[in-house]
Amino acid sequence: NAGVTQTPKFQVLKTGQSMTLQCAQDMNHEYMSWYRQDPGMGLRLIHYSVGAGITDQGEVPNGYNVSRSTTEDFPLRLLSAAPSQTSVYFCASSYAGGRGEQYFGPGTRLTVT
Amino acid sequence: TQLLEQSPQFLSIQEGENLTVYCNSSSVFSSLQWYRQEPGEGPVLLVTVVTGGEVKKLKRLTFQFGDARKDSSLHITAAQPGDTGLYLCAGARAAGNKLTFGGGTRVLVKP
Repeated sequence: NAGVTQTPKFQVLKTGQSMTLQCAQDMNHEYMSWYRQDPGMGLRLIHYSVGAGITDQGEVPNGYNVSRSTTEDFPLRLLSAAPSQTSVYFCASSYAGGRGEQYFGPGTRLTVT
Repeated sequence: TQLLEQSPQFLSIQEGENLTVYCNSSSVFSSLQWYRQEPGEGPVLLVTVVTGGEVKKLKRLTFQFGDARKDSSLHITAAQPGDTGLYLCAGARAAGNKLTFGGGTRVLVKP
């Protein structure tokens, strides 16, 4: 099993550009989530999904969209990138919802100039 | 202000020394998880504590959940360079489907 995979690993965007961060898992987990990690702030929840077709907002959802058309995939879209979105983004999945063990991908390092 | 406050933010010690990392909140959590993250990778779960007062041991690591389920600590005995990393606590509430992370404690164990 590949676990949780994320692409790309690195990305540089100009302010105002849009892009999609990809996340896929092959563990048949219903629960998936996106976090951003900034120095000294741990991980902050952006959006999460409890199953295909169902998404909900986390702590810091502004500027990001998600969809969940399949159990395996949970892409994160940046609509109009801003320098404040410079961060490392982690996708995670869990078989026991938000309260269970989270399996994290390797992360995407995004820089917005 | 974060819901879960970790202290200290950074800890540098010599191999063989002991260390303790704290995770505190004014809120009650139904369970608390501890993760370790190495550079360039995602966090990996170390342990989950669910009962107030619970103590769990993982080799040289001892995790404790406070009696009131508002705080937790991680103690490492005789630290080794392999213990170097970012330690994150994360709390889950009884209701809802969200995990809240603390700011992390960066541990450096020098040989």
